[in-house]
Amino acid sequence: DGGITQSPKYLFRKEGQNVTLSCEQNLNHDAMYWYRQDPGQGLRLIYYSQIVNDFQKGDIAEGYSVSREKKESFPLTVTSAQKNPTAFYLCASSALGLAGGANTGELFFGEGSRLTVL
Amino acid sequence: QKEVEQDPGPLSVPEGAIVSLNCTYSNSAFQYFMWYRQYSRKGPELLMYTYSSGNKEDGRFTAQVDKSSKYISLFIRDSQPSDSATYLCAMSANTGNQFYFGTGTSLTVIP
Repeated sequence: DGGITQSPKYLFRKEGQNVTLSCEQNLNHDAMYWYRQDPGQGLRLIYYSQIVNDFQKGDIAEGYSVSREKKESFPLTVTSAQKNPTAFYLCASSALGLAGGANTGELFFGEGSRLTVL
Repeated sequence: QKEVEQDPGPLSVPEGAIVSLNCTYSNSAFQYFMWYRQYSRKGPELLMYTYSSGNKEDGRFTAQVDKSSKYISLFIRDSQPSDSATYLCAMSANTGNQFYFGTGTSLTVIP
């Protein structure tokens, strides 16, 4: 089935450690996104990428890094510089295309990765 | 002013009721509108997608977009306990660009 796979679902990290969250999609989407979701807050954009080997910072990029070496993969690294990394992280993807075209504009999400810093 | 405003609720209704969820927005360039259902500790699931204005119906769900008022709605008919979740609205101006989200409305359907 087509979709977005995030791993791991749950991750525990000690302070000072970097961790990498995996995101793989087989929807053939060009654009991929990472969001952070905290209780009582909306989704906040960390990074997004519209094409391989290119990505842009979102609203809360500090303390995070990404890479886009393959179209289907967009891993997120939470570095030790991120002061408050405990959160629910969501990866998403969407197609690029002509406005109003079939199957364009929709954003699909993975099941999320919950990171807890001990 | 936030790009997208959504009443966080919580909203509690009896089983079988019609539920109305709403979002307002400020950016007239938005033309893609989505509603998501999110269960606790799960990723958001796309329920409805609408391009530009108008209505769209899918089973018990109806999405409405009123671009002149910058207002979108999701109606759930014959609500079920399994509809209990947080509902997020989202919108964007162009494909592949940034998406803007409401903070979500928490809905509980009581059997």
